[in-house]
Amino acid sequence: EDQVTQSPEALRLQEGESSSLNCSYTVSGLRGLFWYRQDPGKGPEFLFTLYSAGEEKEKERLKATLTKKESFLHITAPKPEDSATYLCAAGYGNNRLAFGKGNQVVVIP
Amino acid sequence: DAMVIQNPRYQVTQFGKPVTLSCSQTLNHNVMYWYQQKSSQAPKLLFHYYDKDFNNEADTPDNFQSRRPNTSFCFLDIRSPGLGDAAMYLCATSTGLAGGETQYFGPGTRLLVL
Repeated sequence: EDQVTQSPEALRLQEGESSSLNCSYTVSGLRGLFWYRQDPGKGPEFLFTLYSAGEEKEKERLKATLTKKESFLHITAPKPEDSATYLCAAGYGNNRLAFGKGNQVVVIP
Repeated sequence: DAMVIQNPRYQVTQFGKPVTLSCSQTLNHNVMYWYQQKSSQAPKLLFHYYDKDFNNEADTPDNFQSRRPNTSFCFLDIRSPGLGDAAMYLCATSTGLAGGETQYFGPGTRLLVL
Protein backbone atom coordinates (compact mmCIF):
# COMPACT_ATOMS: atom_id res chain seq x y z
CA GLU A 1 0.00 0.00 0.00
CA ASP A 2 1.28 3.43 -0.88
CA GLN A 3 2.31 5.29 2.22
CA VAL A 4 3.88 8.55 3.37
CA THR A 5 5.35 8.78 6.88
CA GLN A 6 6.61 11.96 8.48
CA SER A 7 8.87 12.27 11.51
CA PRO A 8 9.06 13.64 14.08
CA GLU A 9 5.33 14.21 14.65
CA ALA A 10 6.06 17.26 16.79
CA LEU A 11 9.15 19.38 17.27
CA ARG A 12 9.90 22.30 19.59
CA LEU A 13 12.83 24.48 18.58
CA GLN A 14 14.49 27.48 20.10
CA GLU A 15 14.64 30.44 17.77
CA GLY A 16 17.78 30.04 15.66
CA GLU A 17 18.08 26.29 16.32
CA SER A 18 18.26 24.61 12.90
CA SER A 19 16.64 21.20 12.35
CA SER A 20 15.34 18.81 9.70
CA LEU A 21 11.98 17.17 9.07
CA ASN A 22 11.78 13.76 7.44
CA CYS A 23 9.29 12.39 4.94
CA SER A 24 9.64 8.79 3.80
CA TYR A 25 7.47 7.43 1.02
CA THR A 26 6.72 4.08 -0.56
CA VAL A 27 4.64 5.33 -3.47
CA SER A 28 5.37 3.50 -6.67
CA GLY A 29 5.72 5.63 -9.77
CA LEU A 30 6.32 8.88 -7.89
CA ARG A 31 5.00 11.88 -9.77
CA GLY A 32 6.41 14.63 -7.62
CA LEU A 33 7.07 15.11 -3.91
CA PHE A 34 5.28 18.12 -2.45
CA TRP A 35 5.77 20.15 0.72
CA TYR A 36 3.04 22.34 2.16
CA ARG A 37 2.79 24.56 5.20
CA GLN A 38 -0.48 24.54 7.15
CA ASP A 39 -1.35 27.04 9.85
CA PRO A 40 -4.10 26.20 12.38
CA GLY A 41 -7.57 26.49 10.89
CA LYS A 42 -6.27 27.21 7.38
CA GLY A 43 -5.73 25.35 4.14
CA PRO A 44 -2.30 24.01 3.13
CA GLU A 45 -0.02 26.57 1.50
CA PHE A 46 2.26 25.27 -1.26
CA LEU A 47 6.00 25.44 -0.59
CA PHE A 48 7.96 23.15 -2.94
CA THR A 49 7.72 20.41 -5.55
CA LEU A 50 10.62 18.00 -6.14
CA TYR A 51 10.64 15.57 -9.05
CA SER A 52 14.05 13.87 -9.14
CA ALA A 53 16.42 12.33 -6.60
CA GLY A 54 19.13 14.85 -5.85
CA GLU A 55 16.91 17.83 -6.51
CA GLU A 56 16.95 20.68 -3.98
CA LYS A 57 14.82 23.80 -3.62
CA GLU A 58 15.09 26.72 -1.24
CA LYS A 59 12.84 29.48 0.03
CA GLU A 60 14.00 31.82 2.75
CA ARG A 61 14.93 29.62 5.75
CA LEU A 62 13.52 26.42 4.19
CA LYS A 63 15.34 23.95 1.97
CA ALA A 64 13.80 20.76 0.59
CA THR A 65 15.79 17.79 -0.69
CA LEU A 66 14.78 14.48 -2.28
CA THR A 67 16.27 11.00 -2.42
CA LYS A 68 14.77 7.84 -3.90
CA LYS A 69 12.96 7.00 -0.65
CA GLU A 70 12.93 10.18 1.45
CA SER A 71 12.59 13.90 1.42
CA PHE A 72 13.91 16.33 4.01
CA LEU A 73 12.78 19.81 4.87
CA HIS A 74 15.64 21.69 6.50
CA ILE A 75 14.76 24.73 8.59
CA THR A 76 17.77 27.00 9.08
CA ALA A 77 17.81 29.49 11.96
CA PRO A 78 14.03 29.30 12.44
CA LYS A 79 11.96 32.20 13.66
CA PRO A 80 8.66 32.05 15.61
CA GLU A 81 6.76 32.78 12.38
CA ASP A 82 8.00 29.43 11.03
CA SER A 83 5.76 27.69 13.58
CA ALA A 84 3.27 25.59 11.61
CA THR A 85 2.48 22.05 10.53
CA TYR A 86 4.50 20.99 7.51
CA LEU A 87 2.76 18.45 5.26
CA CYS A 88 4.54 16.16 2.83
CA ALA A 89 2.65 14.58 -0.05
CA ALA A 90 3.67 12.12 -2.77
CA GLY A 91 2.07 12.43 -6.19
CA TYR A 92 0.98 9.22 -7.90
CA GLY A 93 -1.44 7.82 -10.42
CA ASN A 94 -4.13 10.02 -11.88
CA ASN A 95 -3.53 13.43 -10.28
CA ARG A 96 -3.55 12.04 -6.74
CA LEU A 97 -1.57 12.97 -3.63
CA ALA A 98 -0.82 10.69 -0.68
CA PHE A 99 -0.33 12.89 2.37
CA GLY A 100 1.60 12.30 5.55
CA LYS A 101 0.16 13.36 8.90
CA GLY A 102 2.52 16.31 9.12
CA ASN A 103 5.35 17.63 11.27
CA GLN A 104 4.07 20.09 13.87
CA VAL A 105 6.81 22.65 14.48
CA VAL A 106 6.82 25.19 17.32
CA VAL A 107 9.61 27.77 17.40
CA ILE A 108 10.09 29.39 20.78
CA PRO A 109 11.44 32.96 20.96
CA ASP B 1 -4.76 37.34 -7.64
CA ALA B 2 -5.73 33.93 -8.95
CA MET B 3 -6.99 31.82 -6.12
CA VAL B 4 -9.21 29.12 -4.66
CA ILE B 5 -12.13 30.41 -2.61
CA GLN B 6 -14.27 28.43 -0.19
CA ASN B 7 -17.55 29.50 1.37
CA PRO B 8 -18.53 29.57 4.07
CA ARG B 9 -15.39 29.43 6.22
CA TYR B 10 -17.41 28.03 9.11
CA GLN B 11 -20.59 26.01 8.86
CA VAL B 12 -22.73 24.74 11.70
CA THR B 13 -25.41 22.18 10.92
CA GLN B 14 -27.63 19.81 12.82
CA PHE B 15 -27.36 16.05 12.84
CA GLY B 16 -29.05 14.76 9.69
CA LYS B 17 -29.66 18.20 8.13
CA PRO B 18 -28.26 18.43 4.57
CA VAL B 19 -25.47 20.90 4.03
CA THR B 20 -23.64 22.22 0.95
CA LEU B 21 -20.12 23.59 0.87
CA SER B 22 -18.92 25.74 -2.00
CA CYS B 23 -15.61 26.12 -3.82
CA SER B 24 -14.70 28.45 -6.66
CA GLN B 25 -11.45 29.07 -8.50
CA THR B 26 -10.03 31.77 -10.70
CA LEU B 27 -7.08 29.64 -11.84
CA ASN B 28 -8.99 28.06 -14.73
CA HIS B 29 -7.68 24.65 -13.66
CA ASN B 30 -9.09 21.45 -15.09
CA VAL B 31 -9.08 19.44 -11.88
CA MET B 32 -10.93 20.19 -8.66
CA TYR B 33 -10.61 18.09 -5.50
CA TRP B 34 -12.44 17.72 -2.21
CA TYR B 35 -10.54 16.57 0.87
CA GLN B 36 -11.68 15.89 4.44
CA GLN B 37 -9.19 16.67 7.20
CA LYS B 38 -9.78 15.81 10.84
CA SER B 39 -7.69 17.17 13.68
CA SER B 40 -4.01 16.13 13.51
CA GLN B 41 -4.70 13.86 10.55
CA ALA B 42 -3.64 13.87 6.92
CA PRO B 43 -6.08 15.28 4.36
CA LYS B 44 -8.20 12.45 2.94
CA LEU B 45 -9.29 12.65 -0.69
CA LEU B 46 -13.05 12.24 -1.10
CA PHE B 47 -13.35 12.71 -4.86
CA HIS B 48 -12.17 14.85 -7.73
CA TYR B 49 -13.35 16.15 -11.08
CA TYR B 50 -11.25 16.21 -14.20
CA ASP B 51 -13.29 18.69 -16.19
CA LYS B 52 -16.76 17.12 -15.97
CA ASP B 53 -15.49 13.60 -15.29
CA PHE B 54 -16.24 12.61 -11.70
CA ASN B 55 -13.79 10.32 -9.86
CA ASN B 56 -14.99 8.93 -6.55
CA GLU B 57 -12.63 7.33 -4.03
CA ALA B 58 -13.61 3.78 -3.14
CA ASP B 59 -13.97 4.48 0.56
CA THR B 60 -15.92 7.74 0.29
CA PRO B 61 -19.32 7.23 1.97
CA ASP B 62 -22.44 7.58 -0.18
CA ASN B 63 -23.50 10.38 2.17
CA PHE B 64 -21.03 12.61 0.33
CA GLN B 65 -21.90 13.89 -3.14
CA SER B 66 -20.40 16.49 -5.42
CA ARG B 67 -21.43 18.70 -8.31
CA ARG B 68 -19.36 20.73 -10.76
CA PRO B 69 -21.72 22.87 -12.84
CA ASN B 70 -18.91 24.68 -14.64
CA THR B 71 -15.11 25.05 -14.67
CA SER B 72 -15.06 27.59 -11.86
CA PHE B 73 -17.37 26.07 -9.27
CA CYS B 74 -17.56 22.81 -7.36
CA PHE B 75 -19.90 21.85 -4.52
CA LEU B 76 -19.74 19.28 -1.75
CA ASP B 77 -23.12 18.03 -0.55
CA ILE B 78 -23.42 16.08 2.67
CA ARG B 79 -26.88 14.53 2.58
CA SER B 80 -27.27 13.51 6.22
CA PRO B 81 -24.38 14.76 8.33
CA GLY B 82 -23.36 12.68 11.30
CA LEU B 83 -21.24 13.69 14.26
CA GLY B 84 -18.29 11.92 12.64
CA ASP B 85 -18.47 14.24 9.64
CA ALA B 86 -17.32 17.22 11.68
CA ALA B 87 -14.03 18.18 10.07
CA MET B 88 -12.21 20.71 7.90
CA TYR B 89 -13.18 20.35 4.25
CA LEU B 90 -10.54 21.44 1.79
CA CYS B 91 -10.97 22.23 -1.89
CA ALA B 92 -7.95 22.11 -4.19
CA THR B 93 -7.25 22.58 -7.88
CA SER B 94 -4.57 21.57 -10.35
CA THR B 95 -4.03 21.90 -14.07
CA GLY B 96 -4.10 18.11 -14.58
CA LEU B 97 -2.26 18.51 -17.85
CA ALA B 98 0.48 15.95 -17.33
CA GLY B 99 0.15 14.50 -13.84
CA GLY B 100 2.38 15.47 -10.96
CA GLU B 101 1.27 19.07 -10.97
CA THR B 102 0.95 21.08 -7.82
CA GLN B 103 -2.42 21.17 -6.10
CA TYR B 104 -3.45 24.59 -4.78
CA PHE B 105 -5.71 24.65 -1.76
CA GLY B 106 -8.41 26.97 -0.57
CA PRO B 107 -8.68 28.19 3.03
CA GLY B 108 -11.06 25.39 3.99
CA THR B 109 -14.53 25.18 5.53
CA ARG B 110 -14.77 24.06 9.13
CA LEU B 111 -17.95 22.00 9.59
CA LEU B 112 -19.50 21.54 13.02
CA VAL B 113 -22.36 19.05 13.46
CA LEU B 114 -24.59 19.50 16.50
